[in-house]
Amino acid sequence: SAVISQKPSRDICQRGTSLTIQCQVDSQVTMMFWYRQQPGQSLTLIATANQGSEATYESGFVIDKFPISRPNLTFSTLTVSNMSPEDSSIYLCSVEVGDRGRENEQFFGPGTRLTVL
Amino acid sequence: LAKTTQPISMDSYEGQEVNITCSHNNIATNDYITWYQQFPSQGPRFIIQGYKTKVTNEVASLFIPADRKSSTLSLPRVSLSDTAVYYCLVGALYGGATNKLIFGTGTLLAVQP
Repeated sequence: SAVISQKPSRDICQRGTSLTIQCQVDSQVTMMFWYRQQPGQSLTLIATANQGSEATYESGFVIDKFPISRPNLTFSTLTVSNMSPEDSSIYLCSVEVGDRGRENEQFFGPGTRLTVL
Repeated sequence: LAKTTQPISMDSYEGQEVNITCSHNNIATNDYITWYQQFPSQGPRFIIQGYKTKVTNEVASLFIPADRKSSTLSLPRVSLSDTAVYYCLVGALYGGATNKLIFGTGTLLAVQP
């Protein structure tokens, strides 16, 4: 299993600014994922972040808007750049540990609630 | 990745058994079926996973018919704390590489006293 923390837990930002969200895991993991969950909606995968390589973005998400860093096996950041009110959402990171014999089991952080004014 | 269809919402009362069915008509041979639970203001958490027939753990049971085109998550004797969104996901692990989790709409289960 894995314990994941995110910072900040919530923030209110002005449009046009950027916010960097941190994700810390209590163990070394290969794969980390970033999701967005808009109010009342399901989760949408933004990108997959592997240590030592460029993040892989899903359709509709680009690196200029959501740059991701993965400097080591326990940490990642997601930046939401040049924010607009449409970016208001909960951003979650997750990891796949794979030590319990379960396929596709990911552990999620508590999320960062972002409001853009 | 197989697309899933599940009811948007369900209502139940404390002590009842709740069954949530998910359709996945295009499931592939090497796909697993996984259910996640999400409480308000929290990230989703793994509940149960299966490939075929029946799987049971301390939280729930998962029933998968022979054709695997659907699955049913069964929650025995629900309580108010089981109020959450339940997601059905279908995916596979290919050659040791991690598969992405693609979340569908989920089912909002509301348990009443």
